[in-house]
Amino acid sequence: SQQGEEDPQALSIQEGENATMNCSYKTSINNLQWYRQNSGRGLVHLILIRSNEREKHSGRLRVTLDTSKKSSSLLITASRAADTASYFCAYAGGTSYGKLTFGQGTILTVHP
Amino acid sequence: SAVISQKPSRDICQRGTSLTIQCQVDSQVTMMFWYRQQPGQSLTLIATANQGSEATYESGFVIDKFPISRPNLTFSTLTVSNLSPEDSSIYLCSVVEGINQPQHFGDGTRLSIL
Repeated sequence: SQQGEEDPQALSIQEGENATMNCSYKTSINNLQWYRQNSGRGLVHLILIRSNEREKHSGRLRVTLDTSKKSSSLLITASRAADTASYFCAYAGGTSYGKLTFGQGTILTVHP
Repeated sequence: SAVISQKPSRDICQRGTSLTIQCQVDSQVTMMFWYRQQPGQSLTLIATANQGSEATYESGFVIDKFPISRPNLTFSTLTVSNLSPEDSSIYLCSVVEGINQPQHFGDGTRLSIL
């Protein structure tokens, strides 16, 4: 299946700043999920947003979804050095129940 | 959420051999999947592991190269056969417990081929 697109590919910020990552996709979706991956380890699930939802929050994370533009964004507020990781969006579309298509990922570096 | 144990966490294998990766879940789950992450890249779905029947493979992946078993609702194996350097990747299993539920991943198996 075709990969989603994420931008930026890499983001470098200072501690305390906000980080925004964007994801675009090309099909109808049931939900969109965001993951974090530290140094090639397993994926940590961050947030799932359903196609009928527009915004979700979890701690310092805020996810938005615009199905008319087929796009989503992940905002990390007040970033910390420990947030340094790769972030991926992934979506399950149409009848592809559970089959995730991943974005290319954003490498976030937070400098102390 | 389900706790997923994936073994081995890493391995170094010789060309032409095979490696079997195990994925154990602490509860019965509806769907299990296997993904591959090539170096520096994103994840690609290999197949859906179907309980009691043949796996469903995505385009570009074939059963002879990636045989998968799922004997019950808590366990699956992925074998990567006839290994070549191009198979050096991280292989991850994942589970999802229902429609519009989060999909959770194991810690992955990092495979290197000599």
